[in-house]
Amino acid sequence: NAGVTQTPKFRILKIGQSMTLQCTQDMNHNYMYWYRQDPGMGLKLIYYSVGAGITDKGEVPNGYNVSRSTTEDFPLRLELAAPSQTSVYFCASSYPASSGGGEAFFGQGTRLTVV
Amino acid sequence: EDQVTQSPEALRLQEGESSSLNCSYTVSGLRGLFWYRQDPGKGPEFLFTLYSAGEEKEKERLKATLTKKESFLHITAPKPEDSATYLCAVRGGAQKLVFGQGTRLTINP
Repeated sequence: NAGVTQTPKFRILKIGQSMTLQCTQDMNHNYMYWYRQDPGMGLKLIYYSVGAGITDKGEVPNGYNVSRSTTEDFPLRLELAAPSQTSVYFCASSYPASSGGGEAFFGQGTRLTVV
Repeated sequence: EDQVTQSPEALRLQEGESSSLNCSYTVSGLRGLFWYRQDPGKGPEFLFTLYSAGEEKEKERLKATLTKKESFLHITAPKPEDSATYLCAVRGGAQKLVFGQGTRLTINP
């Protein structure tokens, strides 16, 4: 089991460029999440999805877009990158809490720098 | 709006010196309170889930407890390898998983 896989691990973007952060899970989890983590801070929720075709905004969605066409994949799109988007991005997945457990499993992160 | 506040922000202990980390929360319809450990440069690693007030979970030197408004992570006789950032999160009725800012724990030998 690979768990949650994020690509790329590192990326440097120029201001105004766009990119897609990829996230794939092989645990058949319904729920998937995208977070950003700034240095010395906790995780802030960007977007989340409770199933294929369903997405919703988190705490800090501005400047980002997501789609969920399959159970396995939850890509995060950055349009017109800005220095404020320099951060570490984490993808996570989980079962619904009603299924027992409900804990989220995380990928290893994508370290993004916008210059 | 679901909210999580952790205290203290940072804590330094001597090896063997027990202490507790606090997680205060407000949530609409608690579906679970979660504790994670995060090492530098890595993703969070799951530790515990608590669902209802009065529940307790233990793992080695760590014990998590839950009341209706807060959770505590008690660390007993810590070792240097327990040094990490400890994160608390809640899931409410909207199914969002909301995290606090974390507590950076350092255990000196």
